Amino acid sequence: EIVLTQSPGTLSLSPGERATLSCRASQSVSRSFLAWYQQKPGQAPRLLIHGASSRATGTPDRFSGSGSGTDFTLTISRLEPEDFAVYYCQQFGSSRTAFGQGTKVEIK
Amino acid sequence: QAQLEQSGDEVKKPGASVKVSCKASGYSFHGYYIQWVRQVPGQGLEWVGRINTNSGSINFAPKFQGRVTLTRDTSITTAFLELSSLTNDDTALYYCARDCGGMCRYYHYGMDVWGQGTRVTV
Repeated sequence: EIVLTQSPGTLSLSPGERATLSCRASQSVSRSFLAWYQQKPGQAPRLLIHGASSRATGTPDRFSGSGSGTDFTLTISRLEPEDFAVYYCQQFGSSRTAFGQGTKVEIK
Repeated sequence: QAQLEQSGDEVKKPGASVKVSCKASGYSFHGYYIQWVRQVPGQGLEWVGRINTNSGSINFAPKFQGRVTLTRDTSITTAFLELSSLTNDDTALYYCARDCGGMCRYYHYGMDVWGQGTRVTV
C-alpha cells in the first residue's frame, strides 16, 4: 500500500509570494498516475493537476507540478487571494487510490 | 456539462446503515468509474472505494471490508454507496467523483467531476 506524505502541514505566506508544496510517496509511483487537488472551505475538491505536471482545464498557469519517483511538488508561482486553500496529492493504483493528508496554504 | 448530483444529508443511529446516491448527467455513464471519497470534519480526504459502472466490479479500502456495498443502476445513471454498522467515526461528508477508469490504463486524467457531498451524521 502506497502512503503519500505531504509537507509542510501548513504554509503561511502572503499574496504574491511563491508556494512550494511537497508530496512524498512511500515507494516509487508513475508520474502518469499522480494528481493534485485544491479544496476550499465548504466546497468539493477541484482537480488542478494530472499526470504530475499537466494542468487540468481551467487551472491557471501560475500552478505547476513537477517531480518523479517518490518526490512530487506543486508550485504556485505568485499567490492570489483565491489560492488560499488546502491542497491534496493523490496517487492512482491499479485497484486503489491514496491521498496525502493535505497542505493548508494560509494567509500570513 | 458533466455533473454528479448526490442525495441529501442523513442522520443515523449507531449500528444502522446508510445509502447515498450519486446521479450522473451530461456524459456517458458507462465510460467512467465512480469513486467514493469521505472527509471527516476538519480532516483530509479518505478513499472509500470505486465501482466500474460498466461491469459493476468494485474495489474498496481494506478498512471498509464487510461494511461497504457499491452498486450502480445504469438505467438511471446512478451509483450508490451503502455503509452498514455505522459508528460515530463514520460521521463525515461523503463525495462521489468521476474517474476515467478503464480508459486510463496508461495515464490517469484525475477525478475531474465531483458531487456536492452528502453529510452523514451518526
